[in-house]
Order: sequence, then C-alpha cells, then structure tokens
Amino acid sequence: GAGVSQSPRYKVAKRGQDVALRCDPISGHVSLFWYQQALGQGPEFLTYFQNEAQLDKSGLPSDRFFAERPEGSVSTLKIQRTQQEDSAVYLCASSFKPGTEAFFGQGTRLTVV
Amino acid sequence: AQKITQTQPGMFVQEKEAVTLDCTYDTSDQSYGLFWYKQPSSGEMIFLIYQGSYDEQNATEGRYSLNFQKARKSANLVISASQLGDSAMYFCAMRTLYSGAGSYQLTFGKGTKLSVIP
Repeated sequence: GAGVSQSPRYKVAKRGQDVALRCDPISGHVSLFWYQQALGQGPEFLTYFQNEAQLDKSGLPSDRFFAERPEGSVSTLKIQRTQQEDSAVYLCASSFKPGTEAFFGQGTRLTVV
Repeated sequence: AQKITQTQPGMFVQEKEAVTLDCTYDTSDQSYGLFWYKQPSSGEMIFLIYQGSYDEQNATEGRYSLNFQKARKSANLVISASQLGDSAMYFCAMRTLYSGAGSYQLTFGKGTKLSVIP
C-alpha cells in the first residue's frame, strides 16, 4: 500500500483479555518501530525491528508485551492479560533503511475496560 | 539519555498570522537530528521538518521553518500564515545520528495543541 496500515483502528478489550495489533509497513521498508501514546502524552518507544530481527525491545513495559515480524514485513504487537494502564494509542512506523525518515500509521486505539 | 521539553500545552493563533511553538532538548550526543511532527485528530503522525545538529542553516519547508539555536538547545517551529487546517497537536522529537546506535528510535515531547481561530 501507499502508507503504513494498522488494524484494527479501535479495540476494546476486557481486563485480562489478550489482544493482537497488526502493522503493515510500506513495502520494502527495512526498519519498523512500535510506539505507545498515552492520552495527552507524546509517543514512547516500545520496540524496533530491522527486517525480521528484533534489535531493540528496551521500551516494552512488561513481559506481557510481545512483538514479532516473522517474515520481515507485517508485524504484530501482542499484549497478554491486558490491564487498564495498557489503554493507549499504539503507533507503528516504518523507514526504508535505518536512520532514514520514519512514516507513521494512524494507530490503534486500545481501550481496556 | 535524550529529553524533549515542550512547555506550551496549548496555543491559539489567528488565521493568517505566524506562530512559534517552543521546543528545548537535552542530549549527550554530539550528532543528532531534530524533528517536528503534526498529529491531527485522525491520529497519524505527519512529518513536517528536520534539522541536523551539524546543519548551519535553519531548515525550511514551505510555511514551516525551524529556529535552531544549538547553544541554547532549542528547536522552535515557526508556522507562517496559519491556516485552519493547521489546527492539530504538534510534537517535537529527536534521535541520535550515530550509526550503530541501535534502533534510531525517536524521543518525543508531550506536544502542543495548536488552535487556529478564523
């Protein structure tokens, strides 16, 4: 596609439920980032992939968060046993190669009730 | 560690007037990049302008210019001739430019909500 696509756009989860958020980066983009944006805050880094390799996961807040990019294109961010503090917008971004301009998707708004 | 500070939670500007959005930063890196993004209500982060730490001239992109003062560690965004469509959240961000630094992730400020008044 022309841009970074994320699905679903909105997700409501009951506390304790597992969720999976999908990111389709721009075709051919090597780098892929996940960010978490809490209400009224700026995005915060979660994790980074270069092709299929997860090179940095220092921003993942707990072991309930897991991300994968098995074939170096589509990525999934999984949150297990969701809690209310997980409510946020999850943004995905991709770039052609490391260090080049990052293009963002529209995000997935997760609400945990 | 890198830190971005945006001290203006909200700003109002009259249509067709210019507005300056403040951004200060802190980093121990000598080589870094500074970015401004616009986030409309739709949620997407739209890249506006970039300034490298070694760039001697201030960056400009159409109606956007970046007032880069390295000694003061500030990177203010100036929007000239404001339009109604400029109403959005604006985020200042930075990242290292060192190769091999890892992921080149962006560090963002908390943002400034700009409202353009007709």
